[in-house]
Amino acid sequence: DSGVTQTPKHLITATGQRVTLRCSPRSGDLSVYWYQQSLDQGLQFLIHYYNGEERAKGNILERFSAQQFPDLHSELNLSSLELGDSALYFCASSPGPGGYNEQFFGPGTRLTVL
Amino acid sequence: AQSVAQPEDQVNVAEGNPLTVKCTYSVSGNPYLFWYVQYPNRGLQFLLKYITGDNLVKGSYGFEAEFNKSQTSFHLKKPSALVSDSALYFCAVRDGRDSWGKLQFGAGTQVVVTP
Repeated sequence: DSGVTQTPKHLITATGQRVTLRCSPRSGDLSVYWYQQSLDQGLQFLIHYYNGEERAKGNILERFSAQQFPDLHSELNLSSLELGDSALYFCASSPGPGGYNEQFFGPGTRLTVL
Repeated sequence: AQSVAQPEDQVNVAEGNPLTVKCTYSVSGNPYLFWYVQYPNRGLQFLLKYITGDNLVKGSYGFEAEFNKSQTSFHLKKPSALVSDSALYFCAVRDGRDSWGKLQFGAGTQVVVTP
């Protein structure tokens, strides 16, 4: 158990819908990262927040957005969902901004868009 | 920009034999290198990292990795593989000059250990 929690574990929804994925980092970790894992794209970095501020963006679509709240939990919002958005979404946390810190991954949310 | 290559999609090894998973990287500054393992339907678990110092790094579950600057490689090794080591292994690199830089993951190597 990494100490990172993600809810829900599974999510099944229809095209065009909007969903919210939630992540709670390890106690004391200030950084939260979001990743998308799919069979054809592999593990893709989406976005990084540090202490409430966005710090880096990766391959995140405009339909996707995220935020980190004062209690440091984070939410990833996916809207206008398409079939291709079906994937595993991981959240990871680390103590600091990056650097030499390893990231601790949550168990993931499996999103299925029908 | 940094990049990571894991040249083998899959590595097959018999239980008890040595296991090696290859990783090469490209980064402008000093590399911070990481290995992660992913079991089915689970998140990635950190195995080990190289930041500086001794080129041989020891990590969890008997794994170790050797940093080779001249060959820009960071191969993961285990002297005697177990069936329970069957999993997906990811190498990752970050540019040490950029604290905010993203961690770049390789495509992953599936390890299959047969009894």
